[in-house]
Amino acid sequence: SQKIEQNSEALNIQEGKTATLTCNYTNYSPAYLQWYRQDPGRGPVFLLLIRENEKEKRKERLKVTFDTTLKQSLFHITASQPADSATYLCAPYNQGGKLIFGQGTELSVKP
Amino acid sequence: DGGITQSPKYLFRKEGQNVTLSCEQNLNHDAMYWYRQDPGQGLRLIYYSQIVNDFQKGDIAEGYSVSREKKESFPLTVTSAQKNPTAFYLCASSIASPRGTNTGELFFGEGSRLTVL
Repeated sequence: SQKIEQNSEALNIQEGKTATLTCNYTNYSPAYLQWYRQDPGRGPVFLLLIRENEKEKRKERLKVTFDTTLKQSLFHITASQPADSATYLCAPYNQGGKLIFGQGTELSVKP
Repeated sequence: DGGITQSPKYLFRKEGQNVTLSCEQNLNHDAMYWYRQDPGQGLRLIYYSQIVNDFQKGDIAEGYSVSREKKESFPLTVTSAQKNPTAFYLCASSIASPRGTNTGELFFGEGSRLTVL
């Protein structure tokens, strides 16, 4: 069955450093992959979408890569800030299909 | 202000009772979804609807029911048959899928936290 795995342990980094979060998937060939941010007790908010024919996508301090050979997406936050502290969810997707969410990685940025 | 409104935010239920969670959107989206989130787990799909008067079971539909009588509304009923209903419930919507144009971005509500006493 399709499986999505994100870093299960919380990621703690110092302000100003780059945070890198991993999303691995198996038994699946998604055409798209989305990343969401979720704050405690709130609904997820869409951040970025990357397509299978795009190797990299950037938006301000965010960068996402999508390696269909490794079946992996990396999510980077450069110059991280305490306000970036949240849980980040990845969600592979195929056109007309259902989004399947990973369990999320909790990021904590310390001042 | 366009968006998705879920209510109530917190709900307590006694065992054996049915409860209904409300979800309303004014984004003019065709597709709507219900997810359940448990601590340390990803979102799991309960039901989804791509068009009015039609809906499909997701991965964990047992013990739940939905209706889609209006485009803007997709209420979820948690029935007494749901064995472990205590969870955080999230409603979402998206533009439905004209062939090749839907990127699948979901817009989520703020969630409803259900606790069974």
